[in-house]
Formats: sequence, C-alpha cells, structure tokens
Amino acid sequence: GAVVSQHPSWVICKSGTSVKIECRSLDFQATTMFWYRQFPKQSLMLMATSNEGSKATYEQGVEKDKFLINHASLTLSTLTVTSAHPEDSSFYICSARSGGWEAFFGQGTRLTVV
Amino acid sequence: AQSVAQPEDQVNVAEGNPLTVKCTYSVSGNPYLFWYVQYPNRGLQFLLKYITGDNLVKGSYGFEAEFNKSQTSFHLKKPSALVSDSALYFCAVRDRGSTLGRLYFGRGTQLTVWP
Repeated sequence: GAVVSQHPSWVICKSGTSVKIECRSLDFQATTMFWYRQFPKQSLMLMATSNEGSKATYEQGVEKDKFLINHASLTLSTLTVTSAHPEDSSFYICSARSGGWEAFFGQGTRLTVV
Repeated sequence: AQSVAQPEDQVNVAEGNPLTVKCTYSVSGNPYLFWYVQYPNRGLQFLLKYITGDNLVKGSYGFEAEFNKSQTSFHLKKPSALVSDSALYFCAVRDRGSTLGRLYFGRGTQLTVWP
C-alpha cells in the first residue's frame, strides 16, 4: 500500500516556540491531505483539509493563525504549531489521498509542550 | 449529517474466541465504510473497506466486516482472536458525495485479547 511518512515522531518544545510537523507521501501524489488531532483515548478530530497549491480549509473552532498548514507540493504538507502552549500537547496525525478510495495515514507525531 | 457510532469503548475477548467490534453509521446517501486499527503512539492502519458489491468484506489480518444497510451497521469480526489483535479500532464513513474524501470517525473501541 501507499506510504505516508510523518516527521518527527516525537517532539518536545518550550512554551512559546513554534514546531513544524512534516507529512510526505512517498510513493504517490497526494492531491488532498488531512490533519487530525487526537486526545488520549479519544477519536481523531479533523483540524483542516488541504489541497495542493491552495489554502487549507479549517474546521470550526480551529485557529488558523495558530495551526499553519502548507501544502506546497503534491508530496508534502506541513503543520506548524505557532507559539505553542502546554494545551497544544497532543498526538497529531496526517492523512493523504490521491483521489482513490483510501486515505493513508502517517505514523503520527507526539507533541509535548513544556 | 454524517456520523459514526461505536457503542463499546472496550471489548475483551479470550484468545481463540471470535470477536465483534460494533459500528453503526448515519449518512445522507450510500456510504463508503472503513475500519482502521491503531497501535499505541502510531498512526492508523487500514483494515478493510466497503464500497459496493458483496456485503461481506474481507480485509487484512483475517478481519472481515458485514455491511447491513437496513440496520446501518458495519460490524468488524474475526473468527479467532489473537493477543496481537489488541489495539484501538476505528470505524469511519465517507459520504459518496464528498469530493475531498473526508472521513468521519467513531470514537474508537479498545480491543483487548487475553491469552
């Protein structure tokens, strides 16, 4: 199956700093990418949907200026958590699809803000 | 509005016994249905999907699911559980009319298989 690589797997940052998470489709072109946030023992919450070359569409309640999403190419999307605070600590997962039935998921990034 | 319900937070089963993880859905039209599995601190792995055709869908690792339109259900099953099946399972639905392919997830069911 198609592979989506997400980096880093783990990141610890100081409060007030910014963190960038990368999501790459390794063997297919991802026309659409999705970014999710998952709280412990809870489901995935969709944060935003992005199409290559266009602005991301954010879900209601998600701060656009805090969670910057860039989908600059058909194989790369990035999520930047700006001015991170402890409440931003979470598990972030990206997903990508090329237009077929399936969405392929990255391995996730555990963000801890101290 | 699209939604998915997984009524059980936790399912416990002994190794070798059959397992069922329940899922019901609500969608405006005919759905695309999916099951994913998640291991600790990992992303989601695809298990199986129902798009059209035979209501019984077979997937990875011996799992299968049955699409029941009248009951709007898509329960995940396996005839003989393994300890290694212990993980968090998510049911998801996609609206056929969605061009972006957005998935709506259930809250997840933690499966524990006891040796």
